[in-house]
Amino acid sequence: DAKTTQPNSMESNEEEPVHLPCNHSTISGTDYIHWYRQLPSQGPEYVIHGLTSNVNNRMASLAIAEDRKSSTLILHRATLRDAAVYYCILRTTGNNNDMRFGAGTRLTVKP
Amino acid sequence: DAGVIQSPRHEVTEMGQEVTLRCKPISGHDYLFWYRQTMMRGLELLIYFNNNVPIDDSGMPEDRFSAKMPNASFSNLKIQPSEPRDSAVYFCASSLGLSRGGELFFGSGTQLSVL
Repeated sequence: DAKTTQPNSMESNEEEPVHLPCNHSTISGTDYIHWYRQLPSQGPEYVIHGLTSNVNNRMASLAIAEDRKSSTLILHRATLRDAAVYYCILRTTGNNNDMRFGAGTRLTVKP
Repeated sequence: DAGVIQSPRHEVTEMGQEVTLRCKPISGHDYLFWYRQTMMRGLELLIYFNNNVPIDDSGMPEDRFSAKMPNASFSNLKIQPSEPRDSAVYFCASSLGLSRGGELFFGSGTQLSVL
């Protein structure tokens, strides 16, 4: 069973910011929050990850709630190439190091 | 590094035949994951290895599926005998441990069609 819940789909307009939410209410202290995306006909690709603090990289920003039970992936200016399925998953530092994906959020970007 | 390399890219076979999918992880990575993706079930974790040792194979559908990692540079996933319901895209991914980032790098996948 996936440990995260995400909306099935979201829509955005090109050039506008997109906030993709993820709930992980059962997160433990050793779980890292990872985000991946899968473009059509491609394998998943890494986007960003974090533990407690907000994170920024060239692709996106990750905002983590203070209680860590939810997080938000922020695309600052959506482009048509950002249309993909976005997955939020947890990875633990414990012995159970598996990476199980849920259904993700399908993002549609309208021109 | 060339990234995670999977072969073949496409495989078409007949029911009952043996299928072997291959994966070369990124050099230095100590975790390797095998996934299967279908429209109905999404992205499923089949098995993962740490330092060439299988850690969790609870996602392997049944005894027809087996995976090995004889060394740090190679893993294979075998299906014998294959069935039409095994048709899917199979992805291999590798990573370093969490203390060194832990992000997964995926291969391009093998599209398997069992007729």
